[in-house]
Order: sequence, then C-alpha cells, then structure tokens
Amino acid sequence: GQSLEQPSEVTAVEGAIVQINCTYQTSGFYGLSWYQQHDGGAPTFLSYNALDGLEETGRFSSFLSRSDSYGYLLLQELQMKDSASYFCAVRDRGYGQNFVFGPGTRLSVLP
Amino acid sequence: EAGVTQSPTHLIKTRGQQVTLRCSPISGHTSVYWYQQALGLGLQFLLWYDEGEERNRGNFPPRFSGRQFPNYSSELNVNALELEDSALYLCASSRETGVSNQPQHFGDGTRLSIL
Repeated sequence: GQSLEQPSEVTAVEGAIVQINCTYQTSGFYGLSWYQQHDGGAPTFLSYNALDGLEETGRFSSFLSRSDSYGYLLLQELQMKDSASYFCAVRDRGYGQNFVFGPGTRLSVLP
Repeated sequence: EAGVTQSPTHLIKTRGQQVTLRCSPISGHTSVYWYQQALGLGLQFLLWYDEGEERNRGNFPPRFSGRQFPNYSSELNVNALELEDSALYLCASSRETGVSNQPQHFGDGTRLSIL
C-alpha cells in the first residue's frame, strides 16, 4: 500500500511563487498526478509526472524524484483564482492498481 | 465534448435507506471511478470499472457496490445508509490504456446527506 503526505494549508500573496510538496511511501507506482479543486467544485487534472524531473504547463510546474520519494507542484505568478485545494495522487503498480489521493493542501492567495 | 455527468446533484436520505447514484462518462472513456469525499477531507477511492468489469475496490464495506453498463455509464449503490455516509460522491472517467496513467476527468458530484 501507500500513503501520501501534504501540508494542510499554504498561504501566499498575489504574484508570488508557492511550492506544494507531496511525500509518499509506496512500494511502486506509475507516476504522480496533481489535481485542483475549488470549493464546491469538482477536481480538475493539472499535471502528471511519469518520470523524474520537471514538467511545465504554463504557470504550473510539477516535479518528481522517485529516489527521494518526493514531488511538488509549483505555482508561479499567483492569482486570486488559484485559491483552491490541491491534491497529489498515485496509482499503485501492485495488484489491483489502487488509486490513492493525498489529503490535499488548501492554498489561500491574498491580495 | 460533454464532460462527466452525475445525477442527482443532491440527495437526502435517512438511516437504513438505500441509494443509487448515476454517472455518464466522457464519450470514448471506458473507465469509471467512484470516490467519496467527506466535508473538508480528501478523496477516498471506492470503485473502478473498466469495460463493464469491476477492476478494483477501495477499503469500503460490501454495502457499497456498483456496476458499469455496456454504454460505459455506471451506478453506485449504497445499502443500509449510515450517518457517516454523508459526503460528496464523485465520479471520474478516463481512457483506460493498460498501464498508462490517463488523467481522470471528474463530474460535479452528488451531495448525499443522511438524516
């Protein structure tokens, strides 16, 4: 099995850069995904790291290091609309290929 | 393209009742996933269906069950409802292509309240 850990809350100001970390304990997984969920809304897919390294998609970047059991989501040029919860997620490589989401990090962007 | 659709959007039940939630995936997606999200908490994996078969289930009691139809739509059934079943039930779909990790596309969920 596996467990994912994320900080519960992060606060930053508009225009700043924020990094949301995700550490995990797992025997094996296919890759690390990130999802964004606004209050009252559905989670939306942000990025996926199949391999170690950095993936960039506009203002958002995601990083994975399997050797360090660690990944992060980097949000640049923060905007008020980025205030949301962010979840990391993995798909277990083992039997059944279970899906596990982290507890989520609530990001508050202040003016 | 139309997104994942779920019905109903809200539902109020009492303890001991049974409920059926429905989900229509994005066209071309063969996999459907169900999650439970209690208020203010993360997503707990419930069930995964692909090509009409249950591929995996999370750590939930047997009173949580479901099925996937030939058109890939899906139902989640919960029997003998308990107060702690109050939550947002999210359905997601993806293209299932073997071992690759296709992104999951979520519906807006069904808010279930147990009185």
